[in-house]
Amino acid sequence: GESVGLHLPTLSVQEGDNSIINCAYSNSASDYFIWYKQESGKGPQFIIDIRSNMDKRQGQRVTVLLNKTVKHLSLQIAATQPGDSAVYFCAENQKVTFGTGTKLQVIP
Amino acid sequence: NAGVMQNPRHLVRRRGQEARLRCSPMKGHSHVYWYRQLPEEGLKFMVYLQKENIIDESGMPKERFSAEFPKEGPSILRIQQVVRGDSAAYFCASSPRDRAFYGYTFGSGTRLTVV
Repeated sequence: GESVGLHLPTLSVQEGDNSIINCAYSNSASDYFIWYKQESGKGPQFIIDIRSNMDKRQGQRVTVLLNKTVKHLSLQIAATQPGDSAVYFCAENQKVTFGTGTKLQVIP
Repeated sequence: NAGVMQNPRHLVRRRGQEARLRCSPMKGHSHVYWYRQLPEEGLKFMVYLQKENIIDESGMPKERFSAEFPKEGPSILRIQQVVRGDSAAYFCASSPRDRAFYGYTFGSGTRLTVV
């Protein structure tokens, strides 16, 4: 069936470096995507979203890229900080499903 | 402007007892979604409710689990005769309209531990 999945379960990044978290989706009807951040012991929090009529959207230190041809989106975090350590989920709107998540570990 | 409120934050139950988890959606939101999260795993959809209606319960186990969203009061996720495997974090989210991902907000979750 349709699914949203992530390529990497864990990503370790040096503080100050940029982070790239990837996500693949298979539902071609999906037209809206969201990245969530979930810190330990907390609920998921909205980070940034993107609609399918866009290729790129920027927020504060975060950028989401959408490649509809290969059904792939990525979350880029600039100048990664210790507070960015969390699990990151992508989600798509057709079924509101979530991938397993990528755990981002920031090395001080 | 309170967000999605879940209580209790932590719940301990002995095997065979009942667990009742509550979720009050954001003001103005009439759609509630429940998810279960096992340790080191993603969010698994359980059920989607509107006021007094279950819209999609495709993720709910067939036995022991039930959910409601009455006209008045919070949404309730009820687990009867809990077993150790029910231990997980249960999150609810709410949105202002049908499957509207826009404005989809999560609560802080209820962590259920079955001993």
